[in-house]
Amino acid sequence: DTGVSQNPRHKITKRGQNVTFRCDPISEHNRLYWYRQTLGQGPEFLTYFQNEAQLEKSRLLSDRFSAERPKGSFSTLEIQRTEQGDSAMYLCASSPGTGPRDEQYFGPGTRLTVT
Amino acid sequence: AQSVAQPEDQVNVAEGNPLTVKCTYSVSGNPYLFWYVQYPNRGLQFLLKYITGDNLVKGSYGFEAEFNKSQTSFHLKKPSALVSDSALYFCAVRPNAGKSTFGDGTTLTVKP
Repeated sequence: DTGVSQNPRHKITKRGQNVTFRCDPISEHNRLYWYRQTLGQGPEFLTYFQNEAQLEKSRLLSDRFSAERPKGSFSTLEIQRTEQGDSAMYLCASSPGTGPRDEQYFGPGTRLTVT
Repeated sequence: AQSVAQPEDQVNVAEGNPLTVKCTYSVSGNPYLFWYVQYPNRGLQFLLKYITGDNLVKGSYGFEAEFNKSQTSFHLKKPSALVSDSALYFCAVRPNAGKSTFGDGTTLTVKP
């Protein structure tokens, strides 16, 4: 069990560019979550998947954001036409089951800086 | 909608003293409550959770948390703090199988 991995760890991009992040969950974990964390705040929910199905998407997520989990394993989060307000740490987490009792296992995050 | 409040941005304790990091929550239905710890440049790590049953929950690294339904609180405690406990602590509530709602975190500093 190697834990949740995220790539890249850091991304610097210019405003208006598109970026894509990847998350590899713990093997055989059914649920995969994306959160965003800014300085001084807790993780903020973006979206989550059960296997390949995207079950919920936050209202905070604009149309510029899209996430996929095509084969129910790794996931990608794409941000189109980045804005300075998108600068944040993007966290991925996975959990083994489908119930609320399961704790989430977090990756180290991808830090996005939009200049 | 659920919410979590961590009223203290910072908690300072001396090594060897007991520590408490406070958390209150608001949720409809059964609350599933969690504590996570975040060390610099590392992801959040699960510490402990309350699902049902005994109000005192024991977790990793000697931490425990007390669930109080009437006060809607889930305070994190440790009888004797270590310098290595210094980190950022997050309380989270999860009312269903979907998203977790996190507090804004409390920075714990344990001084030798």
